[in-house]
Amino acid sequence: GQQVMQIPQYQHVQEGEDFTTYCNSSTTLSNIQWYKQRPGGHPVFLIQLVKSGEVKKQKRLTFQFGEAKKNSSLHITATQTTDVGTYFCAGPGNAGNNRKLIWGLGTSLAVNP
Amino acid sequence: NAGVTQTPKFQVLKTGQSMTLQCAQDMNHEYMSWYRQDPGMGLRLIHYSVGAGITDQGEVPNGYNVSRSTTEDFPLRLLSAAPSQTSVYFCASSYTRTAPYSPLHFGNGTRLTVT
Repeated sequence: GQQVMQIPQYQHVQEGEDFTTYCNSSTTLSNIQWYKQRPGGHPVFLIQLVKSGEVKKQKRLTFQFGEAKKNSSLHITATQTTDVGTYFCAGPGNAGNNRKLIWGLGTSLAVNP
Repeated sequence: NAGVTQTPKFQVLKTGQSMTLQCAQDMNHEYMSWYRQDPGMGLRLIHYSVGAGITDQGEVPNGYNVSRSTTEDFPLRLLSAAPSQTSVYFCASSYTRTAPYSPLHFGNGTRLTVT
């Protein structure tokens, strides 16, 4: 079935280092969404990418959607302790599955101060 | 606006007991859904609804029932709790019922333990 894979599963960085997580779909996505979940919290929407090759920035966060609309990345420049959490990507299912979001398993980011 | 409100925040059940997790949203969202989150398993969809009177199954529906009598409320019922249902449960809603989805708004979650 349709799958969304995220790598890496875990990442430890020193504060100030950069961080990137990658999301790969087994099928073409109409859009991709990114969420952040702080430890003990709930997922919070970060951004949605819709266009092929789209790049969006939110302060130190840069989001990209691949040309084939099958992969995406989230890059954080100069991480801070406030970036700690798990980052999830998700995209709508295809065909008869389009009322469901297909989620990656997430990348957990730890930042050492 | 309160957003998505889930109650209770914590619950301990004995095997075989039943209970209802409550979810309410005040954003007039058409789409509502229930997820469970277990370590290493990500977010798994239990049931969802695209409007009042319409519900459908997600990927892990067994042992759970839902109903959607109003736009605002989407309760999740555990009919006979089992230890395998120990999890964190999230309710989430969004504005649109069809793809491309608008963002999901999540409640704070219910942490359920079944002994």
